[in-house]
Amino acid sequence: AQTVTQSQPEMSVQEAETVTLSCTYDTSESDYYLFWYKQPPSRQMILVIRQEAYKQQNATENRFSVNFQKAAKSFSLKISDSQLGDAAMYFCAYRSEYGNKLVFGAGTILRVKS
Amino acid sequence: EPEVTQTPSHQVTQMGQEVILRCVPISNHLYFYWYRQILGQKVEFLVSFYNNEISEKSEIFDDQFSVERPDGSNFTLKIRSTKLEDSAMYFCASSAARGRVQTQYFGPGTRLTVL
Repeated sequence: AQTVTQSQPEMSVQEAETVTLSCTYDTSESDYYLFWYKQPPSRQMILVIRQEAYKQQNATENRFSVNFQKAAKSFSLKISDSQLGDAAMYFCAYRSEYGNKLVFGAGTILRVKS
Repeated sequence: EPEVTQTPSHQVTQMGQEVILRCVPISNHLYFYWYRQILGQKVEFLVSFYNNEISEKSEIFDDQFSVERPDGSNFTLKIRSTKLEDSAMYFCASSAARGRVQTQYFGPGTRLTVL
């Protein structure tokens, strides 16, 4: 079974600075998808970014980018120019190529200081 | 922008009572999911649903749980006899397809409190 590990329970960043959230996963599959979801205090799950394992190029969405290292099974999220609205719980998630379910990590609380 | 909606936002019930949580997936989506998140814990998959049948379910999704798509727009999760440990946030999600193009979009969640 696949597992997702987020080793940082909590991170802090100064407004306008850059922060990187770590995620590692364990799988024997070669094709899969990785996601970062944001959960603000409202607790709604919001998709931040996704990465297809077959793509070598790292995904980017505005201030959010990933560093996908397939051999190392690592999938970190970089947030540039951090804003107060970025404060939230961030979940890393894995999905098999043809599977249904998302497997989530335990989450990282990101605090943004003004 | 289309979004997944869920009702109610908060449901309080007595242990042993039946509850139905409702979701309206994004209109052109074909795959539907329920997840739950016990306070302070990770989000866990419960069940996926496609073409009017369950396509995958987790160990959590035992006989006290059921899902239904009663009409063309709603997707429901029923818990027949609630237990204290069912208290959690329940998220509905939907996706347009499976495989390479699938991305699951989540609703705002229903907070279930079992007393």
